Amino acid sequence: GDSVTQMEGPVTLSEEAFLTINCTYTATGYPSLFWYVQYPGEGLQLLLKATKADDKGSNKGFEATYRKETTSFHLEKGSVQVSDSAVYFCALSKDSNYQLIWGAGTKLIIKP
Amino acid sequence: EAEVAQSPRYKITEKSQAVAFWCDPISGHATLYWYRQILGQGPELLVQFQDESVVDDSQLPKDRFSAERLKGVDSTLKIQPAELGDSAMYLCASSRSGTGSYEQYFGPGTRLTVT
Repeated sequence: GDSVTQMEGPVTLSEEAFLTINCTYTATGYPSLFWYVQYPGEGLQLLLKATKADDKGSNKGFEATYRKETTSFHLEKGSVQVSDSAVYFCALSKDSNYQLIWGAGTKLIIKP
Repeated sequence: EAEVAQSPRYKITEKSQAVAFWCDPISGHATLYWYRQILGQGPELLVQFQDESVVDDSQLPKDRFSAERLKGVDSTLKIQPAELGDSAMYLCASSRSGTGSYEQYFGPGTRLTVT
């Protein structure tokens, strides 16, 4: 069945470092792909999305490119800030019922 | 910017008591989801509504959980009786659906603690 695999956390970086959080997926068809972010004690916020191969989603300095050849949607940011500390979830859509399949989440800790 | 509203934000209850959570989706969003999220894990879908109809409740523990969306707008999730293992964050989300748009928008959640 369809699934999403994320790199395990926590990922700990210093402020202004380059960030990559890996996400790979298994799916039939052509799913849409998403990154959500969850700050402590809050709900999930949509960070960015991509709906077809080679699309690049971007928001708040974060980027991810839909790579069908490698079935990946890695999240990147050039210079992280302490305020980026959160849990990041990768997800894909299921065509038939508008549900999302979620990765396990990756906790990001940014140290000043 | 429109948001999904949830209440209460926090709830502490004793086991065997009844508890209810409320959700008001973004106006015009036909699809409403209830999720449970255990600390440190991803969200687990409990129930999905399309308008007032249940689309999927396969993961809802129906012996103690119930959900309704009577007029196809706001929704209530109830647990009776609550058990210690129900302590979690309960998240509500909504989406437009039916338009090729899959993104879901989440409320702030209700943190439930069962003692």
